[in-house]
Amino acid sequence: EIVLTQSPGTLSLSPGERATLSCRASQSVSSSYLAWYQQKPGQAPRLLIYGASSRATGIPDRFSGSGSGTDFTLTISRLEPEDFAVYYCQQYGSSPPRLTFGGGTKVEIK
Amino acid sequence: EVQLVESGGGLVQPGRSLRLSCTASGFTFGDYAMSWVRQAPGKGLEWVGFIRSKAYGGTTEYAASVKGRFTISRDDSKSIAYLQMNSLKTEDTAVYYCTRQQLVHFDYWGQGTLVTVSS
Repeated sequence: EIVLTQSPGTLSLSPGERATLSCRASQSVSSSYLAWYQQKPGQAPRLLIYGASSRATGIPDRFSGSGSGTDFTLTISRLEPEDFAVYYCQQYGSSPPRLTFGGGTKVEIK
Repeated sequence: EVQLVESGGGLVQPGRSLRLSCTASGFTFGDYAMSWVRQAPGKGLEWVGFIRSKAYGGTTEYAASVKGRFTISRDDSKSIAYLQMNSLKTEDTAVYYCTRQQLVHFDYWGQGTLVTVSS
């Protein structure tokens, strides 16, 4: 089973700064099978990025995803106040079919 | 507008059963796989299982932690997905989210329903 490790656990930044979040897989993951979600306190997660780099409907272009193989990155170019939240990466494994999440990165206001 | 509304959560004793429902609207329910994802208090997200659309056999897959205890089913005529949870354990305490599965990721989520397993 593929394990996703997210780092750092917490990222303390100020509005306007750039955030770089890492998701590392224990085995190679198809880029088509890697997604990112945002979760704010008391809310359900929201899909941000799928296929490693495609933004979901309605997601601002300050969010971007990149990477391949075992290393994937979510970048928020300039943090807005509403971006302070927890971010999860997720992958799909096909043999057997399983979906797994990373442990999350909390982006907090510095 | 796609909407997913979970119901059926609550307090249940260890070893007992509970069934959650997810009522969908705003899309052709039968065309999509549906998943359940849970989140224990203060913890991260854990995939529970999914059910394929009838076009793909309507078969199910489960996480190892719930396999043999949980069963996912669907009623396409009512646009409802179910999660039947048997032999509940205290570690099953979590918010349970219903999600629409877009092949390999989850594009829409319900607001979640809390299940507390405690004596």
